[in-house]
Amino acid sequence: ILNVEQSPQSLHVQEGDSTNFTCSFPSSNFYALHWYRWETAKSPEALFVMTLNGDEKKKGRISATLNTKEGYSYLYIKGSQPEDSATYLCAPLIYNQGGKLIFGQGTELSVKP
Amino acid sequence: DTGVSQDPRHKITKRGQNVTFRCDPISEHNRLYWYRQTLGQGPEFLTYFQNEAQLEKSRLLSDRFSAERPKGSFSTLEIQRTEQGDSAMYLCASSLLMGSRGYTFGSGTRLTVV
Repeated sequence: ILNVEQSPQSLHVQEGDSTNFTCSFPSSNFYALHWYRWETAKSPEALFVMTLNGDEKKKGRISATLNTKEGYSYLYIKGSQPEDSATYLCAPLIYNQGGKLIFGQGTELSVKP
Repeated sequence: DTGVSQDPRHKITKRGQNVTFRCDPISEHNRLYWYRQTLGQGPEFLTYFQNEAQLEKSRLLSDRFSAERPKGSFSTLEIQRTEQGDSAMYLCASSLLMGSRGYTFGSGTRLTVV
């Protein structure tokens, strides 16, 4: 079974704080790394799909980096807002695991006003 | 296209009953996936289809679970003889090929087995 680790499991920050999460995954047979945001009572929403080592992607105050050689990705949120409160999921797509994403357990972010 | 639709949103059933969930993917998407999520865990892969062909089914899935995607359009997931351990959120997602733009998820079906 593929091991995808996310840390921390949960995070409580104040509005305006910047924060970051880690996703670790096996580096061999790597194809792509997905990040999703899942707000309560809504559908998981794709944030980034990353494929290249050293890639960095940005969407507003959220950015992500990828290291495929060592098998990790960081997600950064600059100046957290209450609306950023959600569970953030990462999922690698690995060649020998068939054509589906394997999700980590997620990082639950709570931003207090 | 209104995205991925799942029906019902919530289902409460007695242990031992059969339940069936439906998923309508984005029409242009050829891949459809079923995942299950329990509290504190990430979505766990169940099965996926490319068009009408079921390409993979999780080894963790018992024979009580079956899924279909007739004509490569909507999909159904059936659980026979439900058990309390089947209580979870069942998520459906679709993508174009390998999902280079990400998966599009439905809102899920929350199953409670009493």
